Amino acid sequence: SQQGEEDPQALSIQEGENATMNCSYKTSINNLQWYRQNSGRGLVHLILIRSNEREKHSGRLRVTLDTSKKSSSLLITASRAADTASYFCATDPNTGNQFYFGTGTSLTVIP
Amino acid sequence: NAGVTQTPKFQVLKTGQSMTLQCAQDMNHNSMYWYRQDPGMGLRLIYYSASEGTTDKGEVPNGYNVSRLNKREFSLRLESAAPSQTSVYFCAGGRVYNEQFFGPGTRLTVL
Repeated sequence: SQQGEEDPQALSIQEGENATMNCSYKTSINNLQWYRQNSGRGLVHLILIRSNEREKHSGRLRVTLDTSKKSSSLLITASRAADTASYFCATDPNTGNQFYFGTGTSLTVIP
Repeated sequence: NAGVTQTPKFQVLKTGQSMTLQCAQDMNHNSMYWYRQDPGMGLRLIYYSASEGTTDKGEVPNGYNVSRLNKREFSLRLESAAPSQTSVYFCAGGRVYNEQFFGPGTRLTVL
């Protein structure tokens, strides 16, 4: 399977702290995306980073991509209770239409 | 502008029964997708449709059929439901090599 894997599986932090989660994958990719899923809801797209990019920012989110190590990290700065959710990475291994999702990191932000 | 809608939200079937999950999008996306989400497994692609009139198998297509009725609608059919198909099903729309937009999901239980 080309499925990515997120690390850690679960993360619990205090409000205001930074949260970092990692994603590793197995094959070359066109792009890597991060999604958030609140309990019982659908996934919401957060950020997309293309294979020729190394870092991308969006608000309090910072994503890095290291294609040589086949890994990515998502940093959420100054976390809030509303950031409590599961976070998934999804990779596109050169087909453009077949996306492979990781198993997710469950983030809990304690007020 | 509803985005991606799915019906029904919940369904309970007996083994061997059939049903069709409906998905519609009003975002004018060419591509549409069906995923299933199981605990600890992340999302797995069942089928996708790159454009109206085309469908392709994803990672876990066995036991399912799909129909891309028109650009807006993409349905998923279980001909003879099995307990192993108990899952949460998500439909998504998007453009090739870009982010996907997810529906709220259908929770299916097969007894």
